[in-house]
Amino acid sequence: GQNIDQPTEMTATEGAIVQINCTYQTSGFNGLFWYQQHAGEAPTFLSYNVLDGLEEKGRFSSFLSRSKGYSYLLLKELQMKDSASYLCAVKDSNYQLIWGAGTKLIIKP
Amino acid sequence: ETGVTQTPRHLVMGMTNKKSLKCEQHLGHNAMYWYKQSAKKPLELMFVYNFKEQTENNSVPSRFSPECPNSSHLFLHLHTLQPEDSALYLCASSQDLDRAHTGELFFGEGSRLTVL
Repeated sequence: GQNIDQPTEMTATEGAIVQINCTYQTSGFNGLFWYQQHAGEAPTFLSYNVLDGLEEKGRFSSFLSRSKGYSYLLLKELQMKDSASYLCAVKDSNYQLIWGAGTKLIIKP
Repeated sequence: ETGVTQTPRHLVMGMTNKKSLKCEQHLGHNAMYWYKQSAKKPLELMFVYNFKEQTENNSVPSRFSPECPNSSHLFLHLHTLQPEDSALYLCASSQDLDRAHTGELFFGEGSRLTVL
C-alpha cells in the first residue's frame, strides 16, 4: 500500500530552527508538496519538489531525496505564527495525491 | 474575498436530516475537489470534478451526493449521515487536472460537520 509518514507533533522554541521529516512509500512519484494549516483555517501551499535537492523560500526550505523516499521542511527563525500543522503529500504514478496525517508544530516563547 | 469560500462553516445535523454544503471558487479554476479531514488522519479525497464533469468518486457512500453545476460552484448534499461522518469537509480547486501543472490546490476553510 501507499504510505506517508511524518511525526504527529513537534515542539520548538521561538527564534530557533526546526526540521519536519516526511518519508513516503508510493507507487511512483510525480512531486511532493508541503502545506501549512493553522487551526480552524484552510491548508495553504508552501512548497513543491519534484527534483532532488533543496528549495529555499524565505524562512522555509524544502528538501527532497527521491532515492531515499524522504523529504523535510526546514523552518528558520521560528515565529509564534508558525504554530500550525504541516501536511506532506506525494503525487503518485497516477497523479493522485497521497497525504500524510500532518505534523502539529507547537512554538514556545 | 478569499479564493475559495465554503458555507456553512459549522453544521450540526441529526442522522435523518438532509443538508448541503456549498463551495464557491473565484480563481477561474477548472478542477474542484471535496476532501474529508478527520483528527490525526490524512486528508481523504472524496470527489473530483474537472470542467463540471466528475472524474473521481473515491468509494464514497451514497449518503454523500456531489453536484457541480458549473466550474465555480460545488455542492455536497448530505442525507441519513452517521456519527462517524462528523469531520471537517474541505473544498479545494486547482487550475485543472493537466499533468503538466504542479496541481497546487487552493483550499477553502472547511465546513465543520457534527452528526448527532
